[in-house]
Amino acid sequence: DQQVKQNSPSLSVQEGRISILNCDYTNSMFDYFLWYKKYPAEGPTFLISISSIKDKNEDGRFTVFLNKSAKHLSLHIVPSQPGDSAVYFCAASGGSNYKLTFGKGTLLTVNP
Amino acid sequence: GAVVSQHPSRVICKSGTSVKIECRSLDFQATTMFWYRQFPKQSLMLMATSNEGSKATYEQGVEKDKFLINHASLTLSTLTVTSAHPEDSSFYICSASGEIRGAGNTIYFGEGSWLTVV
Repeated sequence: DQQVKQNSPSLSVQEGRISILNCDYTNSMFDYFLWYKKYPAEGPTFLISISSIKDKNEDGRFTVFLNKSAKHLSLHIVPSQPGDSAVYFCAASGGSNYKLTFGKGTLLTVNP
Repeated sequence: GAVVSQHPSRVICKSGTSVKIECRSLDFQATTMFWYRQFPKQSLMLMATSNEGSKATYEQGVEKDKFLINHASLTLSTLTVTSAHPEDSSFYICSASGEIRGAGNTIYFGEGSWLTVV
Protein backbone atom coordinates (compact mmCIF):
# COMPACT_ATOMS: atom_id res chain seq x y z
CA ASP A 1 0.00 0.00 0.00
CA GLN A 2 1.68 3.15 -1.22
CA GLN A 3 0.84 6.01 1.10
CA VAL A 4 2.75 8.63 -0.86
CA LYS A 5 2.36 8.63 -4.61
CA GLN A 6 4.16 10.49 -7.32
CA ASN A 7 2.27 9.41 -10.40
CA SER A 8 4.54 11.00 -12.96
CA PRO A 9 7.83 9.12 -13.23
CA SER A 10 9.30 11.84 -15.42
CA LEU A 11 8.78 15.45 -16.49
CA SER A 12 10.54 17.49 -19.13
CA VAL A 13 10.40 21.30 -19.30
CA GLN A 14 12.20 24.09 -21.09
CA GLU A 15 14.67 26.30 -19.29
CA GLY A 16 12.97 29.38 -17.89
CA ARG A 17 9.52 27.80 -17.73
CA ILE A 18 7.72 26.51 -14.67
CA SER A 19 8.17 22.94 -13.43
CA ILE A 20 5.27 21.50 -11.46
CA LEU A 21 5.83 18.25 -9.59
CA ASN A 22 2.86 16.57 -7.99
CA CYS A 23 2.41 14.30 -5.01
CA ASP A 24 -0.65 12.63 -3.48
CA TYR A 25 -0.96 10.95 -0.11
CA THR A 26 -3.52 8.70 1.50
CA ASN A 27 -2.66 8.75 5.20
CA SER A 28 -4.64 11.49 6.94
CA MET A 29 -2.21 11.33 9.87
CA PHE A 30 0.54 12.93 7.80
CA ASP A 31 1.07 16.48 8.95
CA TYR A 32 4.50 17.39 7.63
CA PHE A 33 5.64 17.20 4.04
CA LEU A 34 9.03 17.60 2.44
CA TRP A 35 10.57 17.70 -0.99
CA TYR A 36 14.02 16.32 -1.68
CA LYS A 37 16.20 16.51 -4.76
CA LYS A 38 18.48 13.62 -5.57
CA TYR A 39 21.30 13.15 -8.04
CA PRO A 40 22.44 9.64 -8.98
CA ALA A 41 24.64 7.95 -6.37
CA GLU A 42 24.18 10.80 -3.89
CA GLY A 43 22.02 11.25 -0.82
CA PRO A 44 18.87 13.35 -1.12
CA THR A 45 19.15 17.07 -0.54
CA PHE A 46 16.42 18.83 1.38
CA LEU A 47 14.62 21.49 -0.66
CA ILE A 48 11.56 22.74 1.11
CA SER A 49 8.94 21.60 3.57
CA ILE A 50 5.44 22.49 4.67
CA SER A 51 3.41 21.65 7.71
CA SER A 52 -0.29 20.94 7.56
CA ILE A 53 -1.16 24.24 9.20
CA LYS A 54 -0.07 26.05 6.05
CA ASP A 55 -1.16 25.79 2.45
CA LYS A 56 1.85 27.43 0.87
CA ASN A 57 5.54 27.84 1.58
CA GLU A 58 7.95 29.69 -0.63
CA ASP A 59 11.75 29.70 -0.71
CA GLY A 60 13.36 31.46 -3.63
CA ARG A 61 12.47 29.65 -6.85
CA PHE A 62 10.72 26.85 -4.97
CA THR A 63 7.14 26.96 -3.75
CA VAL A 64 5.23 24.09 -2.21
CA PHE A 65 1.44 24.09 -2.17
CA LEU A 66 -0.61 21.85 0.09
CA ASN A 67 -4.27 20.98 -0.45
CA LYS A 68 -5.27 19.01 2.62
CA SER A 69 -8.81 18.28 1.51
CA ALA A 70 -7.49 16.70 -1.68
CA LYS A 71 -4.46 15.18 0.09
CA HIS A 72 -2.32 16.68 -2.60
CA LEU A 73 0.82 18.73 -2.68
CA SER A 74 2.87 20.19 -5.46
CA LEU A 75 6.30 21.69 -5.90
CA HIS A 76 6.65 24.60 -8.29
CA ILE A 77 10.05 25.60 -9.60
CA VAL A 78 10.20 28.86 -11.48
CA PRO A 79 12.15 29.68 -13.48
CA SER A 80 13.47 26.18 -14.15
CA GLN A 81 17.19 25.83 -14.77
CA PRO A 82 19.19 22.97 -16.32
CA GLY A 83 20.86 22.42 -12.94
CA ASP A 84 17.45 21.53 -11.54
CA SER A 85 17.51 18.30 -13.53
CA ALA A 86 17.37 15.51 -10.94
CA VAL A 87 14.96 13.12 -9.29
CA TYR A 88 12.56 14.83 -6.90
CA PHE A 89 11.11 12.90 -3.99
CA CYS A 90 8.05 13.86 -2.03
CA ALA A 91 8.07 12.66 1.58
CA ALA A 92 5.58 12.80 4.42
CA SER A 93 5.57 12.20 8.13
CA GLY A 94 3.06 12.22 10.93
CA GLY A 95 3.72 13.09 14.55
CA SER A 96 7.12 14.00 15.95
CA ASN A 97 9.19 10.95 15.14
CA TYR A 98 10.34 12.17 11.72
CA LYS A 99 9.81 8.77 10.18
CA LEU A 100 9.46 9.58 6.52
CA THR A 101 7.43 7.83 3.87
CA PHE A 102 8.69 8.56 0.38
CA GLY A 103 7.08 8.62 -3.02
CA LYS A 104 8.84 6.87 -5.90
CA GLY A 105 10.23 10.08 -7.28
CA THR A 106 9.86 12.11 -10.47
CA LEU A 107 12.77 12.60 -12.83
CA LEU A 108 12.83 16.25 -13.90
CA THR A 109 14.75 17.18 -17.02
CA VAL A 110 15.18 20.87 -17.78
CA ASN A 111 16.24 21.40 -21.36
CA PRO A 112 18.42 24.39 -22.28
CA GLY B 1 28.46 21.83 3.52
CA ALA B 2 27.26 18.42 4.64
CA VAL B 3 25.50 18.27 7.96
CA VAL B 4 25.25 14.49 7.98
CA SER B 5 28.34 12.57 6.99
CA GLN B 6 28.28 8.97 5.84
CA HIS B 7 31.31 6.73 5.44
CA PRO B 8 32.39 4.92 3.35
CA SER B 9 30.80 6.27 0.20
CA ARG B 10 31.66 3.10 -1.70
CA VAL B 11 32.60 -0.32 -0.45
CA ILE B 12 33.14 -3.65 -2.13
CA CYS B 13 33.21 -6.75 0.01
CA LYS B 14 33.33 -10.47 -0.49
CA SER B 15 30.28 -12.61 0.02
CA GLY B 16 30.08 -13.85 3.59
CA THR B 17 31.95 -10.96 5.15
CA SER B 18 30.55 -8.08 7.18
CA VAL B 19 30.74 -4.39 6.42
CA LYS B 20 30.06 -1.37 8.62
CA ILE B 21 28.67 1.95 7.45
CA GLU B 22 28.90 5.00 9.70
CA CYS B 23 26.52 7.94 9.87
CA ARG B 24 27.55 11.06 11.77
CA SER B 25 25.61 14.22 12.46
CA LEU B 26 27.83 17.28 12.24
CA ASP B 27 27.15 20.38 14.34
CA PHE B 28 24.02 18.94 15.91
CA GLN B 29 22.90 16.12 18.12
CA ALA B 30 20.58 13.54 16.69
CA THR B 31 18.70 11.36 19.14
CA THR B 32 17.08 9.61 16.22
CA MET B 33 18.63 8.52 12.95
CA PHE B 34 17.09 6.55 10.13
CA TRP B 35 18.55 4.03 7.73
CA TYR B 36 17.19 3.68 4.21
CA ARG B 37 17.96 1.46 1.31
CA GLN B 38 17.43 2.25 -2.33
CA PHE B 39 17.32 -0.19 -5.20
CA PRO B 40 17.88 1.12 -8.73
CA LYS B 41 14.97 3.19 -10.02
CA GLN B 42 13.00 2.67 -6.83
CA SER B 43 12.10 4.81 -3.88
CA LEU B 44 13.94 5.05 -0.62
CA MET B 45 12.77 2.29 1.68
CA LEU B 46 13.03 2.78 5.41
CA MET B 47 14.91 -0.09 7.03
CA ALA B 48 15.05 0.94 10.66
CA THR B 49 14.89 3.77 13.14
CA SER B 50 17.98 4.13 15.28
CA ASN B 51 17.53 5.56 18.76
CA GLU B 52 20.46 6.72 20.83
CA GLY B 53 21.02 4.44 23.78
CA SER B 54 18.35 1.92 22.90
CA LYS B 55 17.57 -0.80 20.40
CA ALA B 56 16.72 0.07 16.85
CA THR B 57 13.19 -0.33 15.56
CA TYR B 58 13.12 -2.35 12.37
CA GLU B 59 10.56 -2.15 9.60
CA GLN B 60 8.63 -5.22 8.63
CA GLY B 61 10.62 -7.57 6.47
CA VAL B 62 14.03 -6.25 7.54
CA GLU B 63 16.20 -8.85 9.23
CA LYS B 64 17.54 -7.42 12.47
CA ASP B 65 20.28 -10.04 12.75
CA LYS B 66 21.52 -9.23 9.30
CA PHE B 67 21.40 -5.45 9.52
CA LEU B 68 22.82 -4.55 12.90
CA ILE B 69 22.29 -0.97 13.97
CA ASN B 70 24.09 0.71 16.82
CA HIS B 71 23.49 4.28 17.97
CA ALA B 72 26.21 4.66 20.58
CA SER B 73 26.23 8.45 20.81
CA LEU B 74 24.15 11.46 19.87
CA THR B 75 26.22 11.99 16.75
CA LEU B 76 26.95 8.48 15.49
CA SER B 77 24.90 5.58 14.23
CA THR B 78 26.35 2.54 12.48
CA LEU B 79 24.80 -0.04 10.18
CA THR B 80 26.59 -3.36 9.90
CA VAL B 81 25.61 -5.71 7.12
CA THR B 82 26.56 -9.13 8.40
CA SER B 83 27.36 -12.15 6.26
CA ALA B 84 26.76 -10.06 3.17
CA HIS B 85 25.39 -11.63 0.00
CA PRO B 86 25.22 -10.23 -3.52
CA GLU B 87 21.52 -9.41 -3.07
CA ASP B 88 22.52 -7.02 -0.28
CA SER B 89 24.25 -4.88 -2.89
CA SER B 90 22.44 -1.57 -2.78
CA PHE B 91 22.63 2.12 -1.96
CA TYR B 92 22.28 2.73 1.78
CA ILE B 93 21.41 6.18 3.11
CA CYS B 94 21.07 7.50 6.63
CA SER B 95 19.22 10.54 7.85
CA ALA B 96 19.07 12.47 11.07
CA SER B 97 16.68 15.04 12.43
CA GLY B 98 17.96 18.10 14.15
CA GLU B 99 18.06 21.87 14.33
CA ILE B 100 20.93 23.71 12.78
CA ARG B 101 21.67 27.36 13.37
CA GLY B 102 18.16 28.19 14.43
CA ALA B 103 16.70 27.04 11.14
CA GLY B 104 14.13 24.84 12.81
CA ASN B 105 13.98 21.12 12.93
CA THR B 106 14.38 19.34 9.66
CA ILE B 107 15.72 16.09 8.34
CA TYR B 108 19.12 15.85 6.75
CA PHE B 109 20.51 12.99 4.74
CA GLY B 110 23.97 11.56 4.46
CA GLU B 111 25.70 11.24 1.13
CA GLY B 112 24.86 7.56 0.87
CA SER B 113 27.00 4.44 0.67
CA TRP B 114 27.21 2.12 -2.30
CA LEU B 115 27.67 -1.46 -1.19
CA THR B 116 28.70 -4.07 -3.73
CA VAL B 117 28.99 -7.66 -2.58
CA VAL B 118 30.99 -9.90 -4.89
